[in-house]
Amino acid sequence: LAKTTQPISMDSYEGQEVNITCSHNNIATNDYITWYQQFPSQGPRFIIQGYKTKVTNEVASLFIPADRKSSTLSLPRVSLSDTAVYYCLVKAAGNKLTFGGGTRVLVKP
Amino acid sequence: NAGVMQNPRHLVRRRGQEARLRCSPMKGHSHVYWYRQLPEEGLKFMVYLQKENIIDESGMPKERFSAEFPKEGPSILRIQQVVRGDSAAYFCASSPASERPTETQYFGPGTRLLVL
Repeated sequence: LAKTTQPISMDSYEGQEVNITCSHNNIATNDYITWYQQFPSQGPRFIIQGYKTKVTNEVASLFIPADRKSSTLSLPRVSLSDTAVYYCLVKAAGNKLTFGGGTRVLVKP
Repeated sequence: NAGVMQNPRHLVRRRGQEARLRCSPMKGHSHVYWYRQLPEEGLKFMVYLQKENIIDESGMPKERFSAEFPKEGPSILRIQQVVRGDSAAYFCASSPASERPTETQYFGPGTRLLVL
């Protein structure tokens, strides 16, 4: 399974854009990149998933360069309620999810 | 469409007792996964089950832990003779039957086990 590396923590302010970059140097051809969000005392919540280039949904955007060795989760105009831990995962078909330590994002007023 | 249900949400046990954690997957999902999360850490995979089958139990401790997903009813994670180190949050996730890599796992709210 591909190992991921992401920053331990990140601070931001309300209304700013938050970008979290994850590196996954040994990603395999059939792996997908998936991001989850976890609030305290809750289960992780799926945010976005992509294979290459750019994916956007109502919550976030995911940018994946051509070599796919890294990816960047972009949260536009964060609010206080976006304070959470964000996990980057590399997922192959039928495999278990492997969670790292995640990135603790603190949004300040 | 109800999400993944887990119960109990909180469970207190004394050392040596048994803990039973239940998980009802989302409607239409036949794949269930169990994860354990220690404080301030990420989730660690334990076991992956389909109805009446254990597909991958590579993350399960060799002793005292077992899991099942019967044809009818919820999936059960069973911990026998609990020890203090078993105190953690246990999350269940489910996904549809497809094996496509794009299938998303949906997580329940977790069961917080405290062993006294």
